[in-house]
Amino acid sequence: GEDVEQSLFLSVREGDSSVINCTYTDSSSTYLYWYKQEPGAGLQLLTYIFSNMDMKQDQRLTVLLNKKDKHLSLRIADTQTGDSAIYFCAEKLDSNYQLIWGAGTKLIIKP
Amino acid sequence: NAGVTQTPKFQVLKTGQSMTLQCAQDMNHNSMYWYRQDPGMGLRLIYYSASEGTTDKGEVPNGYNVSRLNKREFSLRLESAAPSQTSVYFCASSEVLEDEQFFGPGTRLTVL
Repeated sequence: GEDVEQSLFLSVREGDSSVINCTYTDSSSTYLYWYKQEPGAGLQLLTYIFSNMDMKQDQRLTVLLNKKDKHLSLRIADTQTGDSAIYFCAEKLDSNYQLIWGAGTKLIIKP
Repeated sequence: NAGVTQTPKFQVLKTGQSMTLQCAQDMNHNSMYWYRQDPGMGLRLIYYSASEGTTDKGEVPNGYNVSRLNKREFSLRLESAAPSQTSVYFCASSEVLEDEQFFGPGTRLTVL
């Protein structure tokens, strides 16, 4: 079946760039999403990319999509303490409206 | 605009008890969703409602029922709670099924 995989943890120094990776199995994705979950809060959409795009940039965020390798990444430039959160990757399939979610990557910021 | 609200924030139940989790949105969205979030796993869709008057099963519907009371409200009911239903439950809504989903703050449920 469909599957989305992410590493559970990523640790970076404040001011460095963070790169969170995600792989997925279903090639019929239409949209791929990055959501952010801060402690004790719900999920908030950070950014998304349409499956026919390779890259999307939005201020400090850069999303790269390699459709051939089914690999999605989220780069956060100049990582700040406020970026501490769990980041979820999700794909929307062409076949139905359900989102397939990764388990989330907890981003830990070291001073 | 409050967005998506959920009540209660926390709940502890004994095995076999029943309860209803409430969700409301004030964005005039047509579609609403219930997810559960378990440690080390992605969100899993329990039920969704494409529009007022319709509900459909998601990935993990067993042990749950839902009611789309009106356009604003979508409740999730556990008729006979089991420890396996210990989880964080999120409600979400979107304009239509294809659109961005907005999430509530979650309900942390423990079943003893």
